[in-house]
Amino acid sequence: KNEVEQSPQNLTAQEGEFITINCSYSVGISALHWLQQHPGGGIVSLFMLSSGKKKHGRLIATINIQEKHSSLHITASHPRDSAVYICACATNKLIFGTGTLLAVQP
Amino acid sequence: DGGITQSPKYLFRKEGQNVTLSCEQNLNHDAMYWYRQDPGQGLRLIYYSQIVNDFQKGDIAEGYSVSREKKESFPLTVTSAQKNPTAFYLCASSGQGGNEQFFGPGTRLTVL
Repeated sequence: KNEVEQSPQNLTAQEGEFITINCSYSVGISALHWLQQHPGGGIVSLFMLSSGKKKHGRLIATINIQEKHSSLHITASHPRDSAVYICACATNKLIFGTGTLLAVQP
Repeated sequence: DGGITQSPKYLFRKEGQNVTLSCEQNLNHDAMYWYRQDPGQGLRLIYYSQIVNDFQKGDIAEGYSVSREKKESFPLTVTSAQKNPTAFYLCASSGQGGNEQFFGPGTRLTVL
């Protein structure tokens, strides 16, 4: 079993839908990252959080340390949100989930 | 602009040849990392360096080598000993504390 599990692996949504991507982990962490990878391959950091909730524009990230679970929400989704979303747990290194491929259709 | 550059974006090599991937950062970060990404798998750490002239093996270092002669540069050599070198390679760097990593655009290596 992977130390960092993401679900779903693939997600297709209609423009405007509310989207949730989940990340569960089994290791002790100092922080959890949500990353976005566009088709060209470059990775952008969206959030780094160690407790509670963070919001940036239409993106919201939450983490429950006791349950070892984090979620990334996208409100009012748009085709430009189509990308791979990756959860990464910070221990003494970064441990990455396999990513969630999101396609938002117009 | 501050950031991380990797070159080239696409690289093709014949089997049995060594190839060096470039990674440069102007963020004044001490730590730099090399990751490999394969379809259906999370990024895996190849090598990392926390300071100039020092580097450590990651989880999948076999068949790779690195150097860290300058703070801003961390080149990765994929040697002929690497059994499956075709992959997407990402370089990253981090500053004090090391928690947040900044990624380069990646190099897609195809060995024919």
